[in-house]
Formats: sequence, structure tokens, C-alpha cells
Amino acid sequence: AQKVTQAQTEISVVEKEDVTLDCVYETRDTTYYLFWYKQPPSGELVFLIRRNSFDEQNEISGRYSWNFQKSTSSFNFTITASQVVDSAVYFCALMGYGGATNKLIFGTGTLLAVQP
Amino acid sequence: ETGVTQTPRHLVMGMTNKKSLKCEQHLGHNAMYWYKQSAKKPLELMFVYNFKEQTENNSVPSRFSPECPNSSHLFLHLHTLQPEDSALYLCASSQDLQGVNTGELFFGEGSRLTVL
Repeated sequence: AQKVTQAQTEISVVEKEDVTLDCVYETRDTTYYLFWYKQPPSGELVFLIRRNSFDEQNEISGRYSWNFQKSTSSFNFTITASQVVDSAVYFCALMGYGGATNKLIFGTGTLLAVQP
Repeated sequence: ETGVTQTPRHLVMGMTNKKSLKCEQHLGHNAMYWYKQSAKKPLELMFVYNFKEQTENNSVPSRFSPECPNSSHLFLHLHTLQPEDSALYLCASSQDLQGVNTGELFFGEGSRLTVL
């Protein structure tokens, strides 16, 4: 069975603080994809990143960085120097390789509130 | 302007009403999806359409009836719903079901449904 766990339901930080959102996944597939999506108050989910299971290199995009560790089945997301505009719900998701559809398994999300 | 437009944004209906949710994508994508987002639960995939053909029905009750007249439009017809069906219904599209952009979905802002 595939499962994504985001243990942090809500996180509140003050602007300019760094914050890490945790994601732990379960899968029996040897090949799979991991994702992060952002859902701002307007409602639409916005794709942030995709990682395949063979690429454990950490990735940095501006203030965002992702730490993928297969040994602990984790794919954590760090925002450096957080800003109020980062306030949103963040979803981690998993997809097995070779499926007939883009069937994403989402976690329950982490609500990030960045206070000015 | 978002590439995926959903109407109405908010809907209140009684248990005996019939209503429809509409989704339109302006991205030239071939696949479209309905997701249900309930509080404190992971996003649930409901239906998948590829080139107007339904490829997945994720054990959704028959009181939800999807319709995809063309690759740009997707409807969700609602009939005799239950209060527990109250949720945010999100429409999404992707270029294809698989490929280099696998898992990269473009979401609308959702239709907030309340069933009384």
C-alpha cells in the first residue's frame, strides 16, 4: 500500500524564520515519484517539485529546498527566510511508476502560517 | 488568470436538489480529474478522463456523475447528496496521463459545496 504522512498539521513562524515541512512516505514500488504542492488561500494547488526515486540529490530553488532521503523514506521541504506570501497549505504526494494514470497519493497537508 | 476555471466557486444545496459543477481548462491538456478535499483528510481522487474517456472511477457513489463532452470541459453532476459530501471539489488537468510531465497537475480554485 502507498501512504504519505505529514505529521505536522499546522506550523506558525515569524517572517524571516526558516521552516521545514516533514513528509514520510510508504511504498513497495522500487520506482516512484514524490511531489510537493502548495495550496494558497485562493484554493488551487500549485505544483512545486517532482522527484523520482533514483535521484536523491537535494534540490534548491531560490528560498525553497528539498531533502530526499530514501533510507528514512522522507522528502522534507525547507523554506528559508520565510515570507508572509508563503502562508499556505503544503501537500506532499507520492505516485508509483508505470501506473495507467497520474494517480497521486496525497498527505493530509501542513498549514503554514507566516506572521509578519 | 488560472488555466483551469471552476464554477460555481460556492454552492449550497439541499439533499434533494440536482446541481452541476463545471470545469474548463485553457491549457490544451488531454487529461482531466476530479478531486474531493475534505477537512483533515488527504485529497481523494474521484474520476480521471483522458481524451474524453473515463479511465478511472475511484469507487465514487453514483450520486456523483461525471461528464466530459470534450478535452476542455468536465462536469460533475450532483444528485441526492448527503451532508458528508460537503467539501471542496477540485478540478485538475494534465498534458497527458504519463510522460515527461507525469504528476504535474494544474488545479482550479475549487467549488466549495455545502449540503444541508
